[in-house]
Amino acid sequence: DGGITQSPKYLFRKEGQNVTLSCEQNLNHDAMYWYRQDPGQGLRLIYYSQIVNDFQKGDIAEGYSVSREKKESFPLTVTSAQKNPTAFYLCASRGGSVPGANVLTFGAGSRLTVL
Amino acid sequence: AQKVTQAQTEISVVEKEDVTLDCVYETRDTTYYLFWYKQPPSGELVFLIRRNSFDEQNEISGRYSWNFQKSTSSFNFTITASQVVDSAVYFCALSEEILTGGGNKLTFGTGTQLKVEL
Repeated sequence: DGGITQSPKYLFRKEGQNVTLSCEQNLNHDAMYWYRQDPGQGLRLIYYSQIVNDFQKGDIAEGYSVSREKKESFPLTVTSAQKNPTAFYLCASRGGSVPGANVLTFGAGSRLTVL
Repeated sequence: AQKVTQAQTEISVVEKEDVTLDCVYETRDTTYYLFWYKQPPSGELVFLIRRNSFDEQNEISGRYSWNFQKSTSSFNFTITASQVVDSAVYFCALSEEILTGGGNKLTFGTGTQLKVEL
């Protein structure tokens, strides 16, 4: 079945460590997104990528980095510069040619806890 | 700036009751898209509906219905005869027409936690 796989589902990190969250899709979608979810704040866009080897910052990119070397993969690195990294991270992808209209497909999320 | 407001943080109902989740949006665009997503305890957001700004027809899908009113900038979601399986967080979202460099940036509301009890 086509979909988005995020791993790990749960991750614990010590302060000062970088961690990388994996996102893989087999939907042949061009665009991919990373959102952060905090209680009571909805979802906020971290980074997005329209095509391979290209990506743009979203609303809260500070302390995060991404790469898009393959169409299927869009890993997110949470660096030690991110002051409050404990959150639920959701990866999404979008196919189609009308950016505003197309539905995002989401992965099951990764919950990061900083100890 | 785009904004989506879901004023109801949490709603609790008894099974079989009807419940309406409110969504109010702000945008300067004349063309835009509105969405509802469901987030069950598993965490994955599930798409429920998309509506474009030129289509104000209400829509019904089984026990779900949506009321889009441009005059009040609202896109409310009603569940009829609620069931325990409806318990989830529901998000309303607004899509910008085109981003610089392309993209489908969704602006999400803060979500409404719906609890349906027996």
